[in-house]
Amino acid sequence: QKEVEQDPGPLSVPEGAIVSLNCTYSNSAFQYFMWYRQYSRKGPELLMYTYSSGNKEDGRFTAQVDKSSKYISLFIRDSQPSDSATYLCAMSVTGTGTASKLTFGTGTRLQVTL
Amino acid sequence: GAVVSQHPSRVICKSGTSVKIECRSLDFQATTMFWYRQFPKKSLMLMATSNEGSKATYEQGVEKDKFLINHASLTLSTLTVTSAHPEDSSFYICSAHMGGDQPQHFGDGTRLSIL
Repeated sequence: QKEVEQDPGPLSVPEGAIVSLNCTYSNSAFQYFMWYRQYSRKGPELLMYTYSSGNKEDGRFTAQVDKSSKYISLFIRDSQPSDSATYLCAMSVTGTGTASKLTFGTGTRLQVTL
Repeated sequence: GAVVSQHPSRVICKSGTSVKIECRSLDFQATTMFWYRQFPKKSLMLMATSNEGSKATYEQGVEKDKFLINHASLTLSTLTVTSAHPEDSSFYICSAHMGGDQPQHFGDGTRLSIL
């Protein structure tokens, strides 16, 4: 079993739809949870960053962490064609030094169509 | 803020050449930098972790003598792919971390093609 599981997609939605992206994980020691967006041939861009459980909202994006279920989600409201990219979840045990190394999901490819 | 610059963005060279890739944190000091490799349509694979002024920690299966990492200052880390061969062709990405409860920030990657 992988430490972090993420459906690779592709996920295709019409413009304006609400998108739900999810990851599950097995390591209960993870405390820091991130969502990155990666466009083709580019490095990952940080979208959301949360510590421990709870919700965080930033514009059209909402991140949720449920540590009891070992499940994290990213919601995108009013999706736009420019949101078409690969979305990577990532998590770490601590925020310090070598122990802050990230464990990534495989990434979900999202396509928002007109 | 939190900009990470990676250079060059694209390298094409002959087999046997050594290639150096630079990763710079432009507006913050990075106590730790990470180097990743990414294959097409795959997620990032961590190669090594480097802390300023100390030797890098390599992940299992990554050859230290093949992928030389130097982290000479709090804003610069370099990855040198020595005597590169076609199988080393890949997308290499660095990230920088300022420590504490801050997230990692990534560079835009270097696409390396060995002919």
